Amino acid sequence: NAGVTQTPKFQVLKTGQSMTLQCAQDMNHNSMYWYRQDPGMGLRLIYYSASEGTTDKGEVPNGYNVSRLNKREFSLRLESAAPSQTSVYFCASNPRDQPQHFGDGTRLSIL
Amino acid sequence: GQSLEQPSEVTAVEGAIVQINCTYQTSGFYGLSWYQQHDGGAPTFLSYNALDGLEETGRFSSFLSRSDSYGYLLLQELQMKDSASYFCASEGSNDYKLSFGAGTTVTVRA
Repeated sequence: NAGVTQTPKFQVLKTGQSMTLQCAQDMNHNSMYWYRQDPGMGLRLIYYSASEGTTDKGEVPNGYNVSRLNKREFSLRLESAAPSQTSVYFCASNPRDQPQHFGDGTRLSIL
Repeated sequence: GQSLEQPSEVTAVEGAIVQINCTYQTSGFYGLSWYQQHDGGAPTFLSYNALDGLEETGRFSSFLSRSDSYGYLLLQELQMKDSASYFCASEGSNDYKLSFGAGTTVTVRA
């Protein structure tokens, strides 16, 4: 059982490049989330999707877009990467009223 | 919005007990969760409180006081493998999203 799978695990971009981070879960969860984690700041919610076909902004959505492609997949896109978006990105999923399950993260550096 | 405060670091010896406090200020509150993260890896769920009182799961316990907007995670019989970061997270009553604290790094010494 793979759980939540994120690809890629590492990526280096140049400022202005675009990039899509992929996330897939095989647990049939309705809700999916994208977070970023910066040193000393915990996890901050970028976007979430309460169910297939819906997406909503979180705490720090600027500079990002998302797509809930189907129930399994929730992608995060950086249209024009900026150094301030250097971070570790985590995807998570859960059924309603249950704990969130996290992927292993994508370490993204923008030069 | 939500804001949560927890200590940044705690150091203790093997076999000791550690309590990580978390205070929260929220516009709507449903429950408080605790997650563990080793070396920047995937956070994993530890415990959850929606009602006041103590929840016990093996060596870990979590407590919530809604009237005080306060909770804590208690780590007992500390082991080296408990060295990790611990995050409290509040769940909103309207949308069930989680807001995380900045995390507490626990270092267990021999």
